[in-house]
Amino acid sequence: AQSVTQLDSQVPVFEEAPVELRCNYSSSVSVYLFWYVQYPNQGLQLLLKYLSGSTLVKGINGFEAEFNKSQTSFHLRKPSVHISDTAEYFCAVTDGYTGGSYIPTFGRGTSLIVHP
Amino acid sequence: DSGVTQTPKHLITATGQRVTLRCSPRSGDLSVYWYQQSLDQGLQFLIQYYNGEERAKGNILERFSAQQFPDLHSELNLSSLELGDSALYFCASSVDQGLPPSEQYFGPGTRLTVT
Repeated sequence: AQSVTQLDSQVPVFEEAPVELRCNYSSSVSVYLFWYVQYPNQGLQLLLKYLSGSTLVKGINGFEAEFNKSQTSFHLRKPSVHISDTAEYFCAVTDGYTGGSYIPTFGRGTSLIVHP
Repeated sequence: DSGVTQTPKHLITATGQRVTLRCSPRSGDLSVYWYQQSLDQGLQFLIQYYNGEERAKGNILERFSAQQFPDLHSELNLSSLELGDSALYFCASSVDQGLPPSEQYFGPGTRLTVT
């Protein structure tokens, strides 16, 4: 069964500093991995996804993530954050083909708080 | 704007009552997913419909049910409501044409408060 662990519930950082949000997954088969962002009072929006190919994935808003199969990780990074990046970030994994669809399992989320 | 609409935005009701949440998917998307987001449980998958038929079931209580209509909009029915049902309910849609997994587009959510 698939599962996702986001190791930090909250990450405070100063504006223009780099940030890494950690995500580890557990699955016995090939996986597909996603990062979503949720701004206050909004739904989730896809930041980036890993389906296959290059392990370094670039997404929107300057974010990128690296798929590391040996460490079962998919950490999200940004070299320089802005105040507007303050939001909740969710890592998701899907592997099993359940009844014809891939249903993602979401982590508990990491609250990124960017201070001026 | 994801293209997924949900109504109502907020809902306040009493224990024991029944409510219906509505979702309209993005144009062209055949799959609709329902999720419950709460502080203690995180984001939990409830149920998925594909082109009018139930396709996958998650942690959905027996008091909850859903359906997808011919025009592809979906409704989530919650009955015999309890205080613990207070949460944000999200609908998402996707094209869902097999491999690779499609991106899910989320609506803005319905915040349900049970008093």
